[in-house]
Amino acid sequence: KQEVTQIPAALSVPEGENLVLNCSFTDSAIYNLQWFRQDPGKGLTSLLLIQSSQREQTSGRLNASLDKSSGRSTLYTAASQPGDSATYLCAVRPIKAAGNKLTFGGGTRVLVKP
Amino acid sequence: NAGVTQTPKFQVLKTGQSMTLQCAQDMNHNSMYWYRQDPGMGLRLIYYSASEGTTDKGEVPNGYNVSRLNKREFSLRLESAAPSQTSVYFCASSLQGFTYNEQFFGPGTRLTVL
Repeated sequence: KQEVTQIPAALSVPEGENLVLNCSFTDSAIYNLQWFRQDPGKGLTSLLLIQSSQREQTSGRLNASLDKSSGRSTLYTAASQPGDSATYLCAVRPIKAAGNKLTFGGGTRVLVKP
Repeated sequence: NAGVTQTPKFQVLKTGQSMTLQCAQDMNHNSMYWYRQDPGMGLRLIYYSASEGTTDKGEVPNGYNVSRLNKREFSLRLESAAPSQTSVYFCASSLQGFTYNEQFFGPGTRLTVL
């Protein structure tokens, strides 16, 4: 069974520092990995999706890498801002799962201090 | 383009009451999903519909029923609500049949069962 882990569960960084978030998964047989952002009391906003054949995906200040063989992904945010404070979730789409189902990690709650 | 919409946003029920959560998407997606999010448990799939006319159980289907009314709408019904169903419910949608199948989420319904 695919398991997705995000450590740490919470993280605090000063404004301007680069933010690095980790996601690990147990089964490398995935179609893709997706990173989401969730603000308190809100829904999930998709940030980036990396295909299993890709090593990296970039969008603005965000960069996500994928090392499928080691079961790891990293979300990198350059020059963090207080507005980046949120919970970040990663999810994988296992090849063995029918119907485009995603398996989610528990999330990392990020606080960027001014 | 509203994306994924959910109604209601908040609901309080008494044990044993029934209700239906509504979800609609305007992105012409063929797959739709219902998740629940609980502290310490992350996001768990309740039911999904890979395409119009089909529905399948996810990880935690007990106590719920779903209806894929048409391509746009996917509803979740609680026939006899229990306190264990207190949660935040999210609907999502995606295109089926593509490995690049980013999932898009609605804003959520916050349900309390007393």
